[in-house]
Amino acid sequence: AAGVIQSPRHLIKEKRETATLKCYPIPRHDTVYWYQQGPGQDPQFLISFYEKMQSDKGSIPDRFSAQQFSDYHSELNMSSLELGDSALYFCASSAPESGELFFGEGSRLTVL
Amino acid sequence: KNQVEQSPQSLIILEGKNCTLQCNYTVSPFSNLRWYKQDTGRGPVSLTIMTFSENTKSNGRYTATLDADTKQSSLHITASQLSDSASYICVVRISNFGNEKLTFGTGTRLTIIP
Repeated sequence: AAGVIQSPRHLIKEKRETATLKCYPIPRHDTVYWYQQGPGQDPQFLISFYEKMQSDKGSIPDRFSAQQFSDYHSELNMSSLELGDSALYFCASSAPESGELFFGEGSRLTVL
Repeated sequence: KNQVEQSPQSLIILEGKNCTLQCNYTVSPFSNLRWYKQDTGRGPVSLTIMTFSENTKSNGRYTATLDADTKQSSLHITASQLSDSASYICVVRISNFGNEKLTFGTGTRLTIIP
């Protein structure tokens, strides 16, 4: 069965550069969530989308933005990258009927 | 096969009743286990974190248990309220020589009806 696909799996950037992470939810899932997990930390909720509209916002820096497109995939855009942005970024999607959550494998961003 | 299995997948109970959600994991070496409550479209809220040496931990009407030998955890909700309707996610952290990884369960969708 198809799972949540995140790309790229690994990304290396330098300070002040821009990075874009992509998330492809499971077909028919209408809600997408983004999480950030720093080294040795628990995941922090960033932002979520329901039916292409932002549904909730967590501790997402102003330098970050995200959107969900008509095909329900989502992109997390990070600008003016800082060393502290180095983390594992998870995406999850949920099924509309059951609310069951499925997480992607994560995208590991390293900022040098 | 998911290494963190939650059951039941969904549960509907009457307001005021108690319920217990289960989380079984196979990942190792175990570092800690956390239960989250997540409303649809909202960010998760951490309910409790269990380390290897802890068997029981309570947070208001929520009580989590952990049996590290059998690799099982449960989340017991007492006197359920309508606001308890949400997905409850079990997340297991493993730590191996400085490498850490989180494995997420698929959650239990709890619906409380009046």
